[in-house]
Amino acid sequence: GAVVSQHPSRVICKSGTSVKIECRSLDFQATTMFWYRQFPKQSLMLMATSNEGSKATYEQGVEKDKFLINHASLTLSTLTVTSAHPEDSSFYICSASPGGHTRTDTQYFGPGTRLTVL
Amino acid sequence: AQSVTQPDIHITVSEGASLELRCNYSYGATPYLFWYVQSPGQGLQLLLKYFSGDTLVQGIKGFEAEFKRSQSSFNLRKPSVHWSDAAEYFCAVVSSGTYKYIFGTGTRLKVLA
Repeated sequence: GAVVSQHPSRVICKSGTSVKIECRSLDFQATTMFWYRQFPKQSLMLMATSNEGSKATYEQGVEKDKFLINHASLTLSTLTVTSAHPEDSSFYICSASPGGHTRTDTQYFGPGTRLTVL
Repeated sequence: AQSVTQPDIHITVSEGASLELRCNYSYGATPYLFWYVQSPGQGLQLLLKYFSGDTLVQGIKGFEAEFKRSQSSFNLRKPSVHWSDAAEYFCAVVSSGTYKYIFGTGTRLKVLA
C-alpha cells in the first residue's frame, strides 16, 4: 500500500517551454502533497505544499509563478515548470500524505522526475 | 530552527560488515525522526520512523535505529550489509508546528564485494 507515482520519469525540453509533472497517490487519498527539488548529490528541498482544493503554499525563495502547482483531486497533484530554463534542470520529487496536517502523518514519496532543460 | 546533520557524506563498507550511519538533529521538543533510502534515480523509501516509545526502532531490510535524546542522535544501523544496500540514506525530522520534513544532506553508502 501507500504507492505514489510520478509521470513522466524523465523529460527533456527546450528552454522557454513549459513542462507538467504529475504526482498520483495510487491506493490512498492524499489530503496533502508536497513537491521537492533535489540537486545532484544534495538533499531534498521542499518547494511547496499543496492541499486538495486550495492554493499551494510555497517555501521562501520559490517562485510561485514559475512553479505552478495544482491539486485538483485527492489523488492528483501537478507541478508545471513554466518557461523552463537550464537552471531549472533538476530532480523533482513529490510526496503524499493521507492526512498531512499532523507530525505523525508519514509522507510517501514518488520515484521522481528528472527534468533536463536544453 | 530545526536542522538535521549527517556528518558522513560517503561511507564504504565491505559486504557482510556492520554499518552505522550517523544523524544528529537540532530540535527543542520531542522530535519525530525518519530514515529514508534512495537508490540511484529513484524516489525515497521509508526505512523506519520514531515518534515515541521504545527508543530502538526496527525497520525494513534489517535496519534499526536508536533514538538518544542526550546525544540528539538517531543513528541507523545494520549488523550485516548486503551489496544491494548501496544507496543514499537520508535522515529527516518533522519541523515544529508543521508537517514539513527537514532532510539531512544524505550519506552515500558504497558496499565492496
